[in-house]
Amino acid sequence: DSGVTQTPKHLITATGQRVTLRCSPRSGDLSVYWYQQSLDQGLQFLIHYYNGEERAKGNILERFSAQQFPDLHSELNLSSLELGDSALYFCASSVGAGGPDTQYFGPGTRLTVL
Amino acid sequence: AQSVTQLGSHVSVSEGALVLLRCNYSSSVPPYLFWYVQYPNQGLQLLLKYTTGATLVKGINGFEAEFKKSETSFHLTKPSAHMSDAAEYFCAGNSGAGSYQLTFGKGTKLSVIP
Repeated sequence: DSGVTQTPKHLITATGQRVTLRCSPRSGDLSVYWYQQSLDQGLQFLIHYYNGEERAKGNILERFSAQQFPDLHSELNLSSLELGDSALYFCASSVGAGGPDTQYFGPGTRLTVL
Repeated sequence: AQSVTQLGSHVSVSEGALVLLRCNYSSSVPPYLFWYVQYPNQGLQLLLKYTTGATLVKGINGFEAEFKKSETSFHLTKPSAHMSDAAEYFCAGNSGAGSYQLTFGKGTKLSVIP
């Protein structure tokens, strides 16, 4: 158990809908990263927050947005869902925002868009 | 920009045999490098990481990796494979140059034959 929690574990929804994925980092960690894992793209970085502020964006679609709240949990919002958004979404947390910091991964949320 | 290449999407070894999973990186700056393992339907677990200092890094479960700057490699090894090592392994890195998200290789699925 990494100490990172993600809810829900599974999500099944229809095209065009909007969903929210939630992540609680390890106690004491200030950074939250979101990654998408799919068969064709592999593991892709989406976005990084540190202590409530956005630090970096990766291959995140405009239909996706995220935020980190004062209690440091984070939410990833996915809207106007398409079939291709079906994937495993991971969040990871680390103590700081430094390169050598270990990122601890949650169990993931499996999103299925029908 | 950082990129990570894993040679071999699938590796099979006999139980008790040497495990060698290959990873090469390309970066304009010295990287931080990581190996993660993913068991079916689970999140990623850190095996080991290289930041600075000793180039031979020991990790959990008997795994180790050697950072070779001249070869831009960070191969993962284990002297004797165990059935419980069957999983998917990901090499990842970040350049530590202002953006600390991980760039992942495509992954290598390890099968262990009894």
